[in-house]
Amino acid sequence: EVQLVESGGTLVQPGGSLHLTCSASGFIFSTYNVVWVRQAPGRGLEYVSGITNSGGNTYYADSVKGRFTISRDNSKSTAYLQVASLRAEDTAIYYCVRSSGYYDFWGQGTLVTVSS
Amino acid sequence: EIVLTQSPGTLSLSPGERATLSCRASQSVSSNYLAWYQQKPGQAPRLLIYGASSRATGIPDRFSGSGSGTDFTLTISRLEPEDFAVYYCQQYGGLPRTFGGGTKVEV
Repeated sequence: EVQLVESGGTLVQPGGSLHLTCSASGFIFSTYNVVWVRQAPGRGLEYVSGITNSGGNTYYADSVKGRFTISRDNSKSTAYLQVASLRAEDTAIYYCVRSSGYYDFWGQGTLVTVSS
Repeated sequence: EIVLTQSPGTLSLSPGERATLSCRASQSVSSNYLAWYQQKPGQAPRLLIYGASSRATGIPDRFSGSGSGTDFTLTISRLEPEDFAVYYCQQYGGLPRTFGGGTKVEV
């Protein structure tokens, strides 16, 4: 069974940083791209960042470029999202998603709340 | 960036009725790389349709997708109680990947 489990979300002050983790199982992690998608409370879905299966290419939404860093460790079947210089508008559930172009498996998400 | 506009914002229907959801792109979606997702309250989105018209594994055949270029449609032939949810379209033919704003199907 394919599973993606996010962790690391918490309450953080504006300007702070967090390290989000996505632990994958049930498939050959190194053969899939991974993306992070977020959803602010009561809002729609927003693509945040993506990384190719080898980790050789990374992509970012303009809204997070320069502040967020995506990475992965295929030996651990884990992806990461380092988020920094956090703003109130970054408050959201962050989903880790397996990508085949389309997003076929989603984790349950981890909540990041940015507030003083 | 390809902007996806979903309509209507809310669709009020009854179980057994047919639902027709629209997704319009600001420019042509390459290779019709258009997906649809369903999201219920408190849950992660679930893939329904990819490639504009291919159903994902385990998705009932009452869900169908159609369209090409800039105009796409998700049809639910007969609404079941569990189908009342929010539906999003997404294009993966260009960067950045973008989502529509969603259509809520309510009773």
